[in-house]
Amino acid sequence: EAGVTQFPSHSVIEKGQTVTLRCDPISGHDNLYWYRRVMGKEIKFLLHFVKESKQDESGMPNNRFLAERTGGTYSTLKVQPAELEDSGVYFCASSQSNSNQPQHFGDGTRLSIL
Amino acid sequence: GQQVMQIPQYQHVQEGEDFTTYCNSSTTLSNIQWYKQRPGGHPVFLIQLVKSGEVKKQKRLTFQFGEAKKNSSLHITATQTTDVGTYFCAGPTSGTYKYIFGTGTRLKVLA
Repeated sequence: EAGVTQFPSHSVIEKGQTVTLRCDPISGHDNLYWYRRVMGKEIKFLLHFVKESKQDESGMPNNRFLAERTGGTYSTLKVQPAELEDSGVYFCASSQSNSNQPQHFGDGTRLSIL
Repeated sequence: GQQVMQIPQYQHVQEGEDFTTYCNSSTTLSNIQWYKQRPGGHPVFLIQLVKSGEVKKQKRLTFQFGEAKKNSSLHITATQTTDVGTYFCAGPTSGTYKYIFGTGTRLKVLA
């Protein structure tokens, strides 16, 4: 089966610009997570979708971040306007229906804000 | 809020030596998962532990879940250069599917 795919793999933008990251989970996976890893530190939870519903967005840094999962398939994470501290690697992961399932991670999007 | 800490933060070992990383949660966990991230890669699921005191083995890797379900450990016997990477534990917050990842232990194996 195809794994979790993320696009783009890298993005370099200037402060104040907008960037949209995309994640295609494994087909049939209801759970979709967004995480961020900054400067080799821990993997920080951003938010969690179950199908198209946001279950938990407590990790979203501020209202410059907007995540959507229309139709319960792929998800987008938009940063507008981007700030320097938003740089990092954004990972998407998906898992099957209940909490005791492993999460499958995408390769991540490396976001650099100049 | 819930915190998951790992020690050590870094570990350099000579190839063939053993390695252990410890994971401690501030709250009781219903289960714990372990992931490995190679340099430049993405986290890859290794194993999940659910029962109190559970011990699981994968070749040279031994995983243990504490009796109180608040701590866990990963032990690698006779490390190889392919073991290089960062090892993360992750546990769900109570009653949710939100996973809190540990701070990670970065392992370097010297040939």
